[in-house]
Amino acid sequence: NAGVTQTPKFRVLKTGQSMTLLCAQDMNHEYMYWYRQDPGMGLRLIHYSVGEGTTAKGEVPDGYNVSRLKKQNFLLGLESAAPSQTSVYFCASSYGRGPGELFFGEGSRLTVL
Amino acid sequence: AQKITQTQPGMFVQEKEAVTLDCTYDTSDPSYGLFWYKQPSSGEMIFLIYQGSYDQQNATEGRYSLNFQKARKSANLVISASQLGDSAMYFCAMSPNFGNEKLTFGTGTRLTIIP
Repeated sequence: NAGVTQTPKFRVLKTGQSMTLLCAQDMNHEYMYWYRQDPGMGLRLIHYSVGEGTTAKGEVPDGYNVSRLKKQNFLLGLESAAPSQTSVYFCASSYGRGPGELFFGEGSRLTVL
Repeated sequence: AQKITQTQPGMFVQEKEAVTLDCTYDTSDPSYGLFWYKQPSSGEMIFLIYQGSYDQQNATEGRYSLNFQKARKSANLVISASQLGDSAMYFCAMSPNFGNEKLTFGTGTRLTIIP
């Protein structure tokens, strides 16, 4: 039972490079989320999706794009990485809007040089 | 806008003692949910406990209980009989209007259990 799986777990980029983080969940959840975690701060929502084919902006969406072409997958893209995007990224999913717990992936550590 | 405040950056507690982690919140929504998550050094986020704003009784899950004081807007986590494995970061979070898409996290408290 995999739950929420994030790929890759670690990545180092140079400023201006692009990359995509993949999140996959096998729980048939409707809602999926991308968060970033920075030192001394709580998790902040980047983008989220309420179902296949939908996306919406969260608290800190600038510099990121997302896609939800399949219900089980939620992709986070960085078109032109900046050092300020150095962070740990968490994907999460939930059955519905709430109330209820979010199920998190193990996190992806991204460093932008 | 909603806000979660965790005023204890770090705490040290003797093993087997009880510990209370503070959390205060601010929201204008009458309906909301309160969560606690644990983040061990390995990095994953582990759900601990949930309290709805209309729940009359404090939530409990094993050694975890949530001390919900609505009038004070506080949702403290109580861990009874602490164990070495409880050493971790703990995050309080709130979903206003029961909406997961608006989940707001506090800055966390780092708990260290001393043997």
